[in-house]
Amino acid sequence: AQSVTQLGSHVSVSEGALVLLRCNYSSSVPPYLFWYVQYPNQGLQLLLKYTSAATLVKGINGFEAEFKKSETSFHLTKPSAHMSDAAEYFCAVSDGPNFGNEKLTFGTGTRLTIIP
Amino acid sequence: DVKVTQSSRYLVKRTGEKVFLECVQDMDHENMFWYRQDPGLGLRLIYFSYDVKMKEKGDIPEGYSVSREKKERFSLILESASTNQTSMYLCASSRTSGRVDTGELFFGEGSRLTVL
Repeated sequence: AQSVTQLGSHVSVSEGALVLLRCNYSSSVPPYLFWYVQYPNQGLQLLLKYTSAATLVKGINGFEAEFKKSETSFHLTKPSAHMSDAAEYFCAVSDGPNFGNEKLTFGTGTRLTIIP
Repeated sequence: DVKVTQSSRYLVKRTGEKVFLECVQDMDHENMFWYRQDPGLGLRLIYFSYDVKMKEKGDIPEGYSVSREKKERFSLILESASTNQTSMYLCASSRTSGRVDTGELFFGEGSRLTVL
């Protein structure tokens, strides 16, 4: 079964600093990987996804993530944090479309705080 | 604008009551999901459905049931609510895999249930 591990349940960065949120995956098949964001009192929305094309994936709001098979990682980065980035971020993995209507397995989440 | 609508944002119920959580999507999606979200545990899949009248157990189905009589509607039922079912419940929908937007879940805003 697939799984993801998010290192750090809370991360704080200063406004303008680099954001790095870590995600490692475990999968017996080539994975599809996702980052979702949840703003306060809202549902989750997709930030970006890796589906076996380019290993560097760009998403919304200036975020990007790099798939590294050798490290089984899919870390999320943003060069310069903005106050509006404060939210909870979830990494997720699925088997991909070749295995039927896939369901996602989510990590435990990382709450990002931006320090003014 | 595409939308997943959950009928109640906040509910307070007593132990032993029957609870219905309703979810409606307007995107003609084949797949619908119910997750519960708890601090430190992330999102855990309760049940999902790939088609009308079809349902499959997720990772934590105990104490829950679901109903999907129409494509756009997916209901979560707690037959006899217990205090350990106090949680945030998130409904999501997606297209059948194999399409370019595979894996993207669209979430509702959540239903926060408190069982006293």
